[in-house]
Amino acid sequence: NAGVMQNPRHLVRRRGQEARLRCSPMKGHSHVYWYRQLPEEGLKFMVYLQKENIIDESGMPKERFSAEFPKEGPSILRIQQVVRGDSAAYFCASSPLVYQRDEQYFGPGTRLTVT
Amino acid sequence: SQKIEQNSEALNIQEGKTATLTCNYTNYSPAYLQWYRQDPGRGPVFLLLIRENEKEKRKERLKVTFDTTLKQSLFHITASQPADSATYLCAPSSGGYQKVTFGTGTKLQVIP
Repeated sequence: NAGVMQNPRHLVRRRGQEARLRCSPMKGHSHVYWYRQLPEEGLKFMVYLQKENIIDESGMPKERFSAEFPKEGPSILRIQQVVRGDSAAYFCASSPLVYQRDEQYFGPGTRLTVT
Repeated sequence: SQKIEQNSEALNIQEGKTATLTCNYTNYSPAYLQWYRQDPGRGPVFLLLIRENEKEKRKERLKVTFDTTLKQSLFHITASQPADSATYLCAPSSGGYQKVTFGTGTKLQVIP
């Protein structure tokens, strides 16, 4: 039973390039969350998706960031025209969302470095 | 706005003692509360979930309490070991199609 998978684990981009981060949830989980974590800081919620739907994107910057979770394939977090401030660890989590049981299972994260 | 507070300072305890971590929340009425562990460079790992109608929950050396009147959860690790050293995050939740908000975490250091 594979856990949440994220790739790549490390990603280096120059300023102005695009970053694509992928997340495959655990088998049977149809809800995906993306978080950003800066060094020595807490997890900051970005977006919550269900298959083909964005449920809550209140934590995602309005510009340059987008997320999707298509019917087939992994969830993608896309950052266009990256800037140095986008350097962080990005974690994806999935949950089964059974009544009163939405514990989240996290992937290993993608560490984005913008040079 | 909703606020989750955890001890911002690191907690250092001697091996074998009980570690107690605090999570307070305001402007919030969660149906349940979760605790996670995060090691450096890794994603958080789910530990325990306690519901609002449960006062206490145990799992091996872990114990969680949930006081909805005080708006507080306590997380205890008994007979602590150096391997318990990590950052512990609390996450109150209302359930359903609601995002889960995490506290900033408390860093625990168990000294041999």
